[in-house]
Amino acid sequence: EAQVTQNPRYLITVTGKKLTVTCSQNMNHEYMSWYRQDPGLGLRQIYYSMNVEVTDKGDVPEGYKVSRKEKRNFPLILESPSPNQTSLYFCASSILQGPYEQYFGPGTRLTVT
Amino acid sequence: GENVEQHPSTLSVQEGDSAVIKCTYSDSASNYFPWYKQELGKRPQLIIDIRSNVGEKKDQRIAVTLNKTAKHFSLHITETQPEDSAVYFCAALLSGTYKYIFGTGTRLKVLA
Repeated sequence: EAQVTQNPRYLITVTGKKLTVTCSQNMNHEYMSWYRQDPGLGLRQIYYSMNVEVTDKGDVPEGYKVSRKEKRNFPLILESPSPNQTSLYFCASSILQGPYEQYFGPGTRLTVT
Repeated sequence: GENVEQHPSTLSVQEGDSAVIKCTYSDSASNYFPWYKQELGKRPQLIIDIRSNVGEKKDQRIAVTLNKTAKHFSLHITETQPEDSAVYFCAALLSGTYKYIFGTGTRLKVLA
């Protein structure tokens, strides 16, 4: 089954404790992206990747890191989480050259206390 | 920075009526405009999209129109049904990048 998976689905952590949210897709997509969703603000892109070892900043990259060492995986790293990073996070993937439909993962709800 | 404005933020319609959601974008060279539907507690899913070389696209009860001169695009849902109730997001792909800017969403309620 074609899918995008994220782990963990729920996470409660404390300020400053490094964490990683994993994202994996089995569709051989070149493009992968991370978004955060906050009430009233919609979806905001954090980082995206066009292929292995090629990443770029989205609209809200501050406080986040990513890496793309393998085509199927695109982890999101919060090295020193803060309460303002409490949010719902979605990973997505798509073909790079189009059609551009992004397939979203199930989401990770992160709470930083 | 570039942005996408989406209106209205909430929309209630009677079942069977039409619903229209509008988005305005700032990057005149944007060339791809998708619409995503997000049901409560679920992930966003693409429902329709349009490229800048097309003025209108239809898929059954859903249509999207694009006015490049005015830099706005709209989602039209006809004969609305209760299962159309969801949050709808528009987005624009910035030219020369693979960066997406999303609108802030419209919560559509279809009243039976």
